[in-house]
Amino acid sequence: ILNVEQSPQSLHVQEGDSTNFTCSFPSSNFYALHWYRWETAKSPEALFVMTLNGDEKKKGRISATLNTKEGYSYLYIKGSQPEDSATYLCASLYNTDKLIFGTGTRLQVFP
Amino acid sequence: DTGVSQDPRHKITKRGQNVTFRCDPISEHNRLYWYRQTLGQGPEFLTYFQNEAQLEKSRLLSDRFSAERPKGSFSTLEIQRTEQGDSAMYLCASSPMVGQPQHFGDGTRLSIL
Repeated sequence: ILNVEQSPQSLHVQEGDSTNFTCSFPSSNFYALHWYRWETAKSPEALFVMTLNGDEKKKGRISATLNTKEGYSYLYIKGSQPEDSATYLCASLYNTDKLIFGTGTRLQVFP
Repeated sequence: DTGVSQDPRHKITKRGQNVTFRCDPISEHNRLYWYRQTLGQGPEFLTYFQNEAQLEKSRLLSDRFSAERPKGSFSTLEIQRTEQGDSAMYLCASSPMVGQPQHFGDGTRLSIL
């Protein structure tokens, strides 16, 4: 059974703080790693899709890195804002077209 | 691009009843996915379609569950003889090809009384 783990489970930070979370996944037969942001009462929104070892992606204040050999990815948020409050989900893809999601990191940014 | 649309947004029903949910994907996306999400968990894969062909089904999908995508456009997910454990958020997503980001709908929240 493939298991994707995310830590921490939840995080509370002050506006302006930078933060990061971890996604760990089985590295055997790995194909791609997805990050999604899921705000309350909205649909999950794709942030990044990464495939290559050492990949780094950036979107505004959010960036992500990927290590496929050891099976982890980091998501960084620089200068957190209240609108960054959401659950951040990672999901890995193997040799089928089926995403395996982690349980998410719930981020709360206080003004 | 009107996004992925799911109907209804909420469904409350008594145990033992049948329910059907609908998903309209982004029109040019040939891949359509169904997931189930329960409290404190990430979305769990249920099944997916490439055009009208159902290519994979999770072991979570008991024989009470059936999904169709008859013309390769919208899809329906039916649950027969609902049980308490079926209470969850059912999410639909679509993508144009393997490896591309999946675009999610707002989900259908099912509550079984």
